[in-house]
Amino acid sequence: DTAVSQTPKYLVTQMGNDKSIKCEQNLGHDTMYWYKQDSKKFLKIMFSYNNKELIINETVPNRFSPKSPDKAHLNLHINSLELGDSAVYFCASSLIAASYNEQFFGPGTRLTVL
Amino acid sequence: AQSVTQLDSQVPVFEEAPVELRCNYSSSVSVYLFWYVQYPNQGLQLLLKYLSGSTLVESINGFEAEFNKSQTSFHLRKPSVHISDTAEYFCAVSRLQGAQKLVFGQGTRLTINP
Repeated sequence: DTAVSQTPKYLVTQMGNDKSIKCEQNLGHDTMYWYKQDSKKFLKIMFSYNNKELIINETVPNRFSPKSPDKAHLNLHINSLELGDSAVYFCASSLIAASYNEQFFGPGTRLTVL
Repeated sequence: AQSVTQLDSQVPVFEEAPVELRCNYSSSVSVYLFWYVQYPNQGLQLLLKYLSGSTLVESINGFEAEFNKSQTSFHLRKPSVHISDTAEYFCAVSRLQGAQKLVFGQGTRLTINP
C-alpha cells in the first residue's frame, strides 16, 4: 500500500498553461506539505496544511494555489506556467505539525515546462 | 532563519569502506536535526534524527550521526558501506517552536563502487 501518492508522475506542458498535481496520504496524518526540488536537487518547502488549514506559506508566486479538500488530500494548482517552474514537486505528510515529527514523502512529480 | 550546508556534493567510496557525509548548520535558535535519504526515483525517507539527549543517534541500517553544538555540525557516518547505500543524502533542520518547517541542505550524492 502506498503511503503518500502523487499523480501524475511526469507532466510535460507548454508555457502559459494551467496544471494541477494531486497528492493523497493514507496514513491518517493531520499535516501535509508541498516541496519544490530544483535541478540542483535543492529542496525547499512551499506550503503546509494542518487539518485543511494553511499554516505555512513560503514566498511562492501566487500562481501557485494549494487546495486541501480534506486532511488526506493536498492538491497543487499552478496557473500560467513558466520555464522556471520546471522541477520535481514532492508532497509529504506528518502525523501532526510539531517540529520533531518524521515526514513521509511521495515519489515526486517531475514537471517540465517547454 | 536557519540554513544548512552540506560540504560535499558527491562522495564516491568503495564497498565496505567507511564514509562520512558532512553537515553544518546555522541558526539563531535551537533546532532539531534530521538526515533524510533519497534512493533513485523515490521520495525522501527519514534516516535518523536528533531531538535531545545523547548526541550520538543511530539508524537501523548502520548509519550514525553526532550532534556537535559547538561546531554546529551533524555529520553522518557509516563504518562499512554497501552497494545498496547508493543514494542522495539530505541534512535538514527545523526550529523547535511552531509548525515544522524543514530547511534542507543541498544534498550529498553517495556512490558506492564495487
